[in-house]
Amino acid sequence: AQKITQTQPGMFVQEKEAVTLDCTYDTSDQSYGLFWYKQPSSGEMIFLIYQGSYDEQNATEGRYSLNFQKARKSANLVISASQLGDSAMYFCAMRGSSGNTGKLIFGQGTTLQVKP
Amino acid sequence: DSGVTQTPKHLITATGQRVTLRCSPRSGDLSVYWYQQSLDQGLQFLIQYYNGEERAKGNILERFSAQQFPDLHSELNLSSLELGDSALYFCASSALGVAGIYTDTQYFGPGTRLTVL
Repeated sequence: AQKITQTQPGMFVQEKEAVTLDCTYDTSDQSYGLFWYKQPSSGEMIFLIYQGSYDEQNATEGRYSLNFQKARKSANLVISASQLGDSAMYFCAMRGSSGNTGKLIFGQGTTLQVKP
Repeated sequence: DSGVTQTPKHLITATGQRVTLRCSPRSGDLSVYWYQQSLDQGLQFLIQYYNGEERAKGNILERFSAQQFPDLHSELNLSSLELGDSALYFCASSALGVAGIYTDTQYFGPGTRLTVL
């Protein structure tokens, strides 16, 4: 079975500093995708970044980067130069290549609060 | 704006009632997914449609059903509502959604917040 674990229920970071949100995963699939989504207090789910299991380089999207360590089955999200607008819930998700579905498996989320 | 639209944004109803949630995917996307987000269960996959056909079922109750129409919009029907059905219901869409395509990014709509009183 596939599983995503986010062990940090809540995190604080000072504005303009970098922060790492942890994510570990478990799957028997050889090919899979890892995703991070942001959910602000308004409720919508915003796609941030994607990493494929065969990608040799860590994904980056602006201030977001994904620290992918395949052997450790971890896919941590790094947010550089935090902004007040980064305060939100962050979800790590995985999609495998087996089975007849494209469903995402989500972790429990990490609430990030950025302090001014 | 993800390009996925959901209506209504909020829905308040009573136990035992039936409601319909509507979703329009991004232009060109063939797959539609429904997810339920509740405090105790987190984000749970309910069901997926691909080009009008049911592709996969997750933790969807028998009281719930969905369909995808020829124009690719989708509806999620919730009946005999219970207090525990109160949740945020998301629709997401992706370009493909077929088996083996794990790179396919899902884009989420703004959600429908259902409150059952």
